[in-house]
Amino acid sequence: DAGITQSPRHKVTETGTPVTLRCHQTENHRYMYWYRQDPGHGLRLIHYSYGVKDTDKGEVSDGYSVSRSKTEDFLLTLESATSSQTSVYFCAISESQGLNTEAFFGQGTRLTVV
Amino acid sequence: GENVEQHPSTLSVQEGDSAVIKCTYSDSASNYFPWYKQELGKRPQLIIDIRSNVGEKKDQRIAVTLNKTAKHFSLHITETQPEDSAVYFCADERGGADGLTFGKGTHLIIQP
Repeated sequence: DAGITQSPRHKVTETGTPVTLRCHQTENHRYMYWYRQDPGHGLRLIHYSYGVKDTDKGEVSDGYSVSRSKTEDFLLTLESATSSQTSVYFCAISESQGLNTEAFFGQGTRLTVV
Repeated sequence: GENVEQHPSTLSVQEGDSAVIKCTYSDSASNYFPWYKQELGKRPQLIIDIRSNVGEKKDQRIAVTLNKTAKHFSLHITETQPEDSAVYFCADERGGADGLTFGKGTHLIIQP
């Protein structure tokens, strides 16, 4: 498996609190992604990064922010958690864009907002 | 890509039979089409992929076909086994930094 780890693996938090999820890679891959997975919706892109301090919004970015201060770390922050953000969050990394762009996924973080 | 439709959402087949999952895409610039398998409680993992200059690709019991004119691609699993039970996701990519766009997934159930 590619060297990609997410932390925490499980978290329960209260509505209105900020939450930060961490994705750490040891592959020196340029591209990093945050997805959320919900029943009936598959994997939806929240934010992505194409380099240090280079990030952009995905399909479902409202209520989320990201930061990438180092190649190896990509942080996802829920500024004020809501119940609709209860989900499984996956980080993914990719070496390049275009052809041969296999994405490797982390183990996932199960977040419950109560 | 822009949008990827995947069908069916659930597929139940007898062990030993074949399974086919179909996806359509809308972005004519898409040029890469991977398939991911996700076992219960695990991360999605790539099982096979195809590029836009190829019509078909096989790897043992799995194969993928691509019809660029019709903008659809399919996953074929032959001689299904219990370990094939999982959720399968198709995806496309046009080469942008935003990476893959995924279908909603197909839950494949292999009946003994």
